Amino acid sequence: DTEVTQTPKHLVMGMTNKKSLKCEQHMGHRAMYWYKQKAKKPPELMFVYSYEKLSINESVPSRFSPECPNSSLLNLHLHALQPEDSALYLCASSHDPTVRFPPLHFGNGTRLTVT
Amino acid sequence: AQKITQTQPGMFVQEKEAVTLDCTYDTSDPSYGLFWYKQPSSGEMIFLIYQGSYDQQNATEGRYSLNFQKARKSANLVISASQLGDSAMYFCAMREADSDGGATNKLIFGTGTLLAVQP
Repeated sequence: DTEVTQTPKHLVMGMTNKKSLKCEQHMGHRAMYWYKQKAKKPPELMFVYSYEKLSINESVPSRFSPECPNSSLLNLHLHALQPEDSALYLCASSHDPTVRFPPLHFGNGTRLTVT
Repeated sequence: AQKITQTQPGMFVQEKEAVTLDCTYDTSDPSYGLFWYKQPSSGEMIFLIYQGSYDQQNATEGRYSLNFQKARKSANLVISASQLGDSAMYFCAMREADSDGGATNKLIFGTGTLLAVQP
């Protein structure tokens, strides 16, 4: 079983809806990540939080809003999404990123469909 | 420019045989980390093995080993004694050092290789 838990597993939402994806880890990791993965493509980095502060935003549209309430939780708030935003959204965490090259541990992902 | 190249979109292997999945990378940084992940059809990304650029020996983890050839900038994954459960997408990934010498938070993925293990 993965040690990074994502909810929900599946989400269908309309373009006018507001929803949130949730991610939780209890491994003591201080870096947390959101990735977006389209079918048959590699994951693409969206956001990185390091010690609960946003450290990387890969020019993601503002209809995606990340939040890191504490070191164990990571949310992704969704609003006014487009059908092309339909994808698998993966959360990951890792040890202190200043320690060289820790691996990322991923959750099972949320399969999002925007109608 | 493509940093991680996986030239095999798909591979077949017979059960119990060994298979090598290719990965080449491009970096001018002397310090970096290379990773392999497995993604079954269920979607989870499973960390398999790690190789640091300064590691003297090739990494091994059970049936997985990494054939690291630094001069050629290649980091091929070898799976020995393939099992039906090995059928999945395999991604090679790299993490570089930042300007301060620590690891960057960016894990860059290759395009992946879809492995099918046949009985």
